[in-house]
Amino acid sequence: NAGVTQTPKFQVLKTGQSMTLQCAQDMNHNSMYWYRQDPGMGLRLIYYSASEGTTDKGEVPNGYNVSRLNKREFSLRLESAAPSQTSVYFCATPAQGNSPLHFGNGTRLTVT
Amino acid sequence: GENVEQHPSTLSVQEGDSAVIKCTYSDSASNYFPWYKQELGKGPQLIIDIRSNVGEKKDQRIAVTLNKTAKHFSLHITETQPEDSAVYFCAASNSGYSTLTFGKGTMLLVSP
Repeated sequence: NAGVTQTPKFQVLKTGQSMTLQCAQDMNHNSMYWYRQDPGMGLRLIYYSASEGTTDKGEVPNGYNVSRLNKREFSLRLESAAPSQTSVYFCATPAQGNSPLHFGNGTRLTVT
Repeated sequence: GENVEQHPSTLSVQEGDSAVIKCTYSDSASNYFPWYKQELGKGPQLIIDIRSNVGEKKDQRIAVTLNKTAKHFSLHITETQPEDSAVYFCAASNSGYSTLTFGKGTMLLVSP
């Protein structure tokens, strides 16, 4: 999905390890979002950032922290990973102006 | 907060048949209803959306209908093709394009 780049694509962690999921967008949009996707649960909002320097909690923020490093980049950090955080994580941003969300291709995370 | 229910969870049709996926929402203030298609290994992609001031919207083989009184909306795909096979998500928002609440998804399988 051109415009939203997520790294890494896959990651395996042991319980208690930490990691940062990276997201970068080249659409020059103010707002960015982090969702997680679990089987049978749809997509649930973790955190979002309405503009550079601001972040807000979504539906399932516990166990995560975020940083809006600049207008392009919005990272998601797991300080102490737990098996319940095994999921596929998606970053999203509107394509342009006031428009629908455009998603990256996701990071598949497994915590053992 | 908003709650979005989506049915069915799986739907199998023969190529050329029509497919209908239904969603209900709980927040009467919701005013934006997008539908996303997710292919294996990719992020969700917007296929059609509708606002609460419109009852129906069509784009080639895809249409969405909205019943505000009953608080439900549906995706209709006509003349289905194997490439329509994917997971489809409905969503609702009361603040435009941001902070969407998603349904749990429908896996559509189109058999040749």
